[in-house]
Amino acid sequence: SAVISQKPSRDICQRGTSLTIQCQVDSQVTMMFWYRQQPGQSLTLIATANQGSEATYESGFVIDKFPISRPNLTFSTLTVSNMSPEDSSIYLCSVAPGQGFSYEQYFGPGTRLTVT
Amino acid sequence: GQNIDQPTEMTATEGAIVQINCTYQTSGFNGLFWYQQHAGEAPTFLSYNVLDGLEEKGRFSSFLSRSKGYSYLLLKELQMKDSASYLCAAMDSNYQLIWGAGTKLIIKP
Repeated sequence: SAVISQKPSRDICQRGTSLTIQCQVDSQVTMMFWYRQQPGQSLTLIATANQGSEATYESGFVIDKFPISRPNLTFSTLTVSNMSPEDSSIYLCSVAPGQGFSYEQYFGPGTRLTVT
Repeated sequence: GQNIDQPTEMTATEGAIVQINCTYQTSGFNGLFWYQQHAGEAPTFLSYNVLDGLEEKGRFSSFLSRSKGYSYLLLKELQMKDSASYLCAAMDSNYQLIWGAGTKLIIKP
């Protein structure tokens, strides 16, 4: 298993600003993911954060808008840049510490972002 | 395209049994996951099926039929704390998780 913490837990930001969300894991993990979850909806994968290389982004998400850092195997950041009200959402990081194909994911507590 | 379907909402009575269905269409298949998510909290892992059949884990069981692209989560002896959203997710051939929209389960006394 893995214990994950995220900072901040919530924030209210003004349009046009940027927010960096931190994700810390209590053990070294290879696979780390960033998700977005709109209220009452399911999870949408933003990107996979790779240690030592650029993140892999899903369709509809770009590095300029959501730059990601992964400096080591226990830490990652996601920045939401030039925010608009449409970016209001819960942002979750998750890890898949297991071996093999049963990539059970563990999720952080989430960051609730409101953009005004 | 890839798709996961599950009911939006279900209601059940405390002490009863409820079955939450999930159908999936993916490019390849590497397993089916169920997660529980309480309101305002992160999802937590419940089960993983990659072979056909029923996996039992306490009050919760999960079933998979790969030929039908179908899974269900069975919850027995329902408790009020089981009120939550239940997310079905299928892993495709690239080991990417395709998530359903979740089923909100309401438990009534």
